[in-house]
Amino acid sequence: QQPVQSPQAVILREGEDAVINCSSSKALYSVHWYRQKHGEAPVFLMILLKGGEQKGHEKISASFNEKKQQSSLYLTASQLSYSGTYFCGTGYSSASKIIFGSGTRLSIRP
Amino acid sequence: EAGVVQSPRYKIIEKKQPVAFWCNPISGHNTLYWYRQNLGQGPELLIRYENEEAVDDSQLPKDRFSAERLKGVDSTLKIQPAELGDSAVYLCASSLGSGGHTDTQYFGPGTRLTVL
Repeated sequence: QQPVQSPQAVILREGEDAVINCSSSKALYSVHWYRQKHGEAPVFLMILLKGGEQKGHEKISASFNEKKQQSSLYLTASQLSYSGTYFCGTGYSSASKIIFGSGTRLSIRP
Repeated sequence: EAGVVQSPRYKIIEKKQPVAFWCNPISGHNTLYWYRQNLGQGPELLIRYENEEAVDDSQLPKDRFSAERLKGVDSTLKIQPAELGDSAVYLCASSLGSGGHTDTQYFGPGTRLTVL
């Protein structure tokens, strides 16, 4: 049931774009995205609900493709502060707990 | 608004010793979660409380782990005795609602446990 994230790691130069994918083998009700910097708490970015929704948060946005059972996180014109590990958490029913993927480590170089 | 508070931040113990972690959730949050995060992995749920009641403890190794949530606010997670494989970061999170799939969880900084 654990979602699969890809890529596992990515290195970018400042200003470049990145896409992080979160795929499930089961139908999704929700997808939560978090960013965690080394030694710190995971920080909530956004939640997407069943319905093919897209959301944005400054230069970070995400889509939810119900048919493909997948969510993608888009980081445009990346900044140094975007470095960290990005986790998706997936919900499979209205009352289910969230199950987190293994994360995608994003490194931004000046 | 104060975030989720956890203590201690770091703990080093010998195997077979007991250890306890403490969590104070965000004020007013009904649901509290304990997660374990192994190196390079995402958080794995150990137990979820709605107020004082443990509503999901299916992933808690009950032979050595125990938890309680006093008066529906603070919570402690205990391991007795600790094993080498328990080395991990233990994260506490809280949420305003009842912990369903739309509930946003806010995490504390975690306790990094090293078992020697």
